[in-house]
Amino acid sequence: AQSVTQLGSHVSVSEGALVLLRCNYSSSVPPYLFWYVQYPNQGLQLLLKYTSAATLVKGINGFEAEFKKSETSFHLTKPSAHMSDAAEYFCAVSDPSNTGKLIFGQGTTLQVKP
Amino acid sequence: EADIYQTPRYLVIGTGKKITLECSQTMGHDKMYWYQQDPGMELHLIHYSYGVNSTEKGDLSSESTVSRIRTEHFPLTLESARPSHTSQYLCASSERTGVVAGYTFGSGTRLTVV
Repeated sequence: AQSVTQLGSHVSVSEGALVLLRCNYSSSVPPYLFWYVQYPNQGLQLLLKYTSAATLVKGINGFEAEFKKSETSFHLTKPSAHMSDAAEYFCAVSDPSNTGKLIFGQGTTLQVKP
Repeated sequence: EADIYQTPRYLVIGTGKKITLECSQTMGHDKMYWYQQDPGMELHLIHYSYGVNSTEKGDLSSESTVSRIRTEHFPLTLESARPSHTSQYLCASSERTGVVAGYTFGSGTRLTVV
C-alpha cells in the first residue's frame, strides 16, 4: 500500500534560515505529490504539486520542492524562513489505484524563532 | 477566498446529541471528501463521494454517515455523539480529474463532545 513518511514531527529554524521539510513516499509507480500548509484553526492550502512535469516545482510563498525518483523523496525547501511560515505542513501522495484519493503524511510543525 | 464552506466552525455539544456538519462547495466539483484530524496527527479519510448518490466509507472506521443528494452539498451526521468523536473534521473537494488538481479544503469544524 502507498504510504508517506514525513521525517520529524517538529522542525525549528531561526528567521532567515533555510527551511527543509522531508517527505518520502513508497510506490513502485511514480505518483503525483503535493505539499499542503495548515495555519492554526484553518483548513489545508495547496503549496505546490508534482504531476510528472519538471522535477523542481515552485509553489507559493517562496517554497519549492524537488522530486527525486531514485530517493523516493519530495522534500520541501525555502531559502529564508519568515515568521509567517510557522504552520503545519503535510505531504501527500496520490493513491496508485487511481481512485483520485490522496494519502497524507503525519505532518510536520514548523516553528520559526525570531 | 474560500470556495468550500464548512459550518459550524466550532461546536461544543453534549453526549448523545445528534449533529450534522455542513459542507458546501461552489466549484461544481464531482468528488468530495471528509477527513478527521486529531491534534498533531495525520488526516484520516472517513468518507468520500464521487458524485450525486455516491458515497463510500474511507480508510478510518467512523460511526458517522454522509449523504450526497446535490453536487454542491456533502453533510456529515453523527446520530449520537460521544467524547471519542471530539476532533477536527475537514471537508475537501476535487475536480473529476481529482488526483492531478489536488484538493480544495474547507476551514474545518472543530467538534468537542462533553
